[in-house]
Amino acid sequence: AQSVTQPDIHITVSEGASLELRCNYSYGATPYLFWYVQSPGQGLQLLLKYFSGDTLVQGIKGFEAEFKRSQSSFNLRKPSVHWSDAAEYFCAVASYNQGGKLIFGQGTELSVKP
Amino acid sequence: GAGVSQSPSNKVTEKGKDVELRCDPISGHTALYWYRQSLGQGLEFLIYFQGNSAPDKSGLPSDRFSAERTGGSVSTLTIQRTQQEDSAVYLCASSSPGQGAYGYTFGSGTRLTVV
Repeated sequence: AQSVTQPDIHITVSEGASLELRCNYSYGATPYLFWYVQSPGQGLQLLLKYFSGDTLVQGIKGFEAEFKRSQSSFNLRKPSVHWSDAAEYFCAVASYNQGGKLIFGQGTELSVKP
Repeated sequence: GAGVSQSPSNKVTEKGKDVELRCDPISGHTALYWYRQSLGQGLEFLIYFQGNSAPDKSGLPSDRFSAERTGGSVSTLTIQRTQQEDSAVYLCASSSPGQGAYGYTFGSGTRLTVV
């Protein structure tokens, strides 16, 4: 069965520091992979997505993610975190033959300290 | 409309009552999905509608949960005899034809509190 693991429930970084949020997936074929962000009281916003092609994907707000098939990982990175990046981040996987339903990880809450 | 609209944004109900949550997808989007976001449980898939096909109900947690989609547009998620564990944020998403998960737009959700 498909599954997504985000090992870090909560991460705190200093403003201006680099960030890496981990995501591991379990899926038998080439997955569709996604990162979403949810700010307090807000809906889910898509940061970036991957299906094929270049394994380094650029997203909005300066985020990027790298697909590593050998490690079944799709980690999210940002070189310099801003206070406004404090939010919850969700990694998700989808299979096209299941109509596009998403399987989400448990989420990683990011706090940014001044 | 411009986005996926969900109503109400907040709902407080007494245990044992029935509730209806509404989702109005983006015009022209043929696929519609419901998810539940519970504290400590993350986001879980509930049900999926695609055009006129039979819905995928595989994520509904019990027979107290049901959903319908009228005219291929608006969807209503109904929870009967609500329980405290039903308290969660219910999110709806729609997707354009052929896009599936690649073309999701999420609504802002309905926060349900069962007291």
